[in-house]
Amino acid sequence: NAGVTQTPKFQVLKTGQSMTLQCAQDMNHNSMYWYRQDPGMGLRLIYYSASEGTTDKGEVPNGYNVSRLNKREFSLRLESAAPSQTSVYFCASSRDRQNSPLHFGNGTRLTVT
Amino acid sequence: GQQLNQSPQSMFIQEGEDVSMNCTSSSIFNTWLWYKQEPGEGPVLLIALYKAGELTSNGRLTAQFGITRKDSFLNISASIPSDVGIYFCAGQVGGSQGNLIFGKGTKLSVKP
Repeated sequence: NAGVTQTPKFQVLKTGQSMTLQCAQDMNHNSMYWYRQDPGMGLRLIYYSASEGTTDKGEVPNGYNVSRLNKREFSLRLESAAPSQTSVYFCASSRDRQNSPLHFGNGTRLTVT
Repeated sequence: GQQLNQSPQSMFIQEGEDVSMNCTSSSIFNTWLWYKQEPGEGPVLLIALYKAGELTSNGRLTAQFGITRKDSFLNISASIPSDVGIYFCAGQVGGSQGNLIFGKGTKLSVKP
């Protein structure tokens, strides 16, 4: 039982390049989330998907797009990376959106030069 | 917007000492969660609190949901080296995980 799996673990991009961060969960959870973590800032929600087929903006959605490909997978895309998007990105899932704890992946460390 | 003030930012303690950290807010939360993050890993849930006044333990960890619903604390008793990490509080409004707000973390260092 792997829980939440994120790929890649590390990535370096040049400004303007695009990439997709992948996330998959094997816990049959309905809800999935993307957070970014920056030093001294805690975790900030980028986008979430309450259930398969739906996505909604979080606190910091600008510069990102997401796709809930199926119940298991939720991807985060950067169309034109900027240095301000250098961060550690965490995917999380929960059984549903009400009072069920989040389970996090181990993160993707992204550097944009 | 809603914010959580988590303190202290960092702690350096001796093995065996007790630890206390807390989160406060000007907003009312319906759920408080405490997570621990170790280097290179994602946060792991330690304790979840769902009712005002609730006191819950998980081994040497004890957390309480404040009566005013605007604060929560986490205590660690008899600390050990593996307690090292960053501890985050998170508050949730209205039962919706989409509105989970995280504190900025307390970095705990334990000296053997």
